[in-house]
Amino acid sequence: EVKLVESGGGLEQPGGSLRLSCAASGFTFSGYSMNWVRQAPGKGLEWVSYISSSSGTIHYADSVKGRFIISRDNGKKSLFLQMNSLRAEDTAVYYCARVQGGPAAGTDYWGQGKLVTVSS
Amino acid sequence: SYVLTQPPSVSVAPGQTARITCGGNNVGSKSMNWYQQKPGQAPVLVVYDDSDRPSGIPERISGSNSGNTATLTISRVEAGDEADYYCQVWDSSNDHVVFGGGTKLTVL
Repeated sequence: EVKLVESGGGLEQPGGSLRLSCAASGFTFSGYSMNWVRQAPGKGLEWVSYISSSSGTIHYADSVKGRFIISRDNGKKSLFLQMNSLRAEDTAVYYCARVQGGPAAGTDYWGQGKLVTVSS
Repeated sequence: SYVLTQPPSVSVAPGQTARITCGGNNVGSKSMNWYQQKPGQAPVLVVYDDSDRPSGIPERISGSNSGNTATLTISRVEAGDEADYYCQVWDSSNDHVVFGGGTKLTVL
């Protein structure tokens, strides 16, 4: 069974940093690209970042570029999102999700999500 | 940047057919994916690559994509289909994943 479990997150002040982790199991993690997708309270889905299976290709949404860093450790079957210079508008549930193939492919498995709140 | 436009809401009676549209400039040239999200749950992929269904998704859910409009069609709508639906593509011009704003499907 494919499982993605996010951890980290919580409450942070504006300007602060947080790190999200995503533990993968039930599939060959090193063979799949991954996305981070977020959803602000009561709002729609917003893509955050993409990383290819080998970490050779990385993309970011304009709203987080220069502040967030996506990375992965295939040996530990883990995905990460380092979030710096946090803003109130970064408040959202963050999902890690598996991509079926290249960046145009569907995202077929999602974690349960982790709430990040940025507030003073 | 590329924009996908969805109607905020669609209402349909049980047993009828619901059609949810997703508009974008020449969207038919892109591979369209659709997600279903119920309250308090993570999204679920229901259609990928315009019209393919992941295993476990019923045949009464289908997709099409041509010209400037992609459509998600749900036949014989059931109460359990009530959810938010999102379309999504890859914008290769700036290497971004793009989601539509979402459509709330209400079963009357």
